[in-house]
Amino acid sequence: GAVVSQHPSWVICKSGTSVKIECRSLDFQATTMFWYRQFPKQSLMLMATSNEGSKATYEQGVEKDKFLINHASLTLSTLTVTSAHPEDSSFYICSARPTRASFYNSPLHFGNGTRLTVT
Amino acid sequence: SQQGEEDPQALSIQEGENATMNCSYKTSINNLQWYRQNSGRGLVHLILIRSNEREKHSGRLRVTLDTSKKSSSLLITASRAADTASYFCATAVNRDDKIIFGKGTRLHILP
Repeated sequence: GAVVSQHPSWVICKSGTSVKIECRSLDFQATTMFWYRQFPKQSLMLMATSNEGSKATYEQGVEKDKFLINHASLTLSTLTVTSAHPEDSSFYICSARPTRASFYNSPLHFGNGTRLTVT
Repeated sequence: SQQGEEDPQALSIQEGENATMNCSYKTSINNLQWYRQNSGRGLVHLILIRSNEREKHSGRLRVTLDTSKKSSSLLITASRAADTASYFCATAVNRDDKIIFGKGTRLHILP
């Protein structure tokens, strides 16, 4: 149980175009999902917290107009990288916690990530 | 922002040996979690230890938590080639629902 599907697993796009990444919780509902970015051999940097039915909460330094997050249902959050540039090339990972899970006892469930390359 | 710092950053050991990784963090926490990441993949949860717990076991994994020193350790006993991966500690800070990851330890098990 607790499977998170992230799609696509990799994408190559041209500079200036937009790319949408989907994160789905397959067998549980997730009021909250998290989007992380990871550079090679580095840690995960939290970009934003996606909240179903409301606006996402962005971390300091993350451009909300650049990285659009939509969490329209309890099982789907999307991250759209708008007007992508080569410096946006990175590994993007989403995670989710079941809605009814206890904050104190429950881990995050991760998607397998999306490798974005902007040429 | 990052909360935790793991050490060592990289570790190579022979198969069968034990691997120990440490994590230090800065603020008070509700729980601390350890995750594993195989190259180019998402993260897999290994173990969660609450702030009022001092030690926890799961199979070949043993995690300790010292809140007075703001540190945790992950011990993998009898390592296997399949344990080769990056290991991250992550902390849940108060009730802002954020999980913040440390820099990770890259573990390489030599055959």
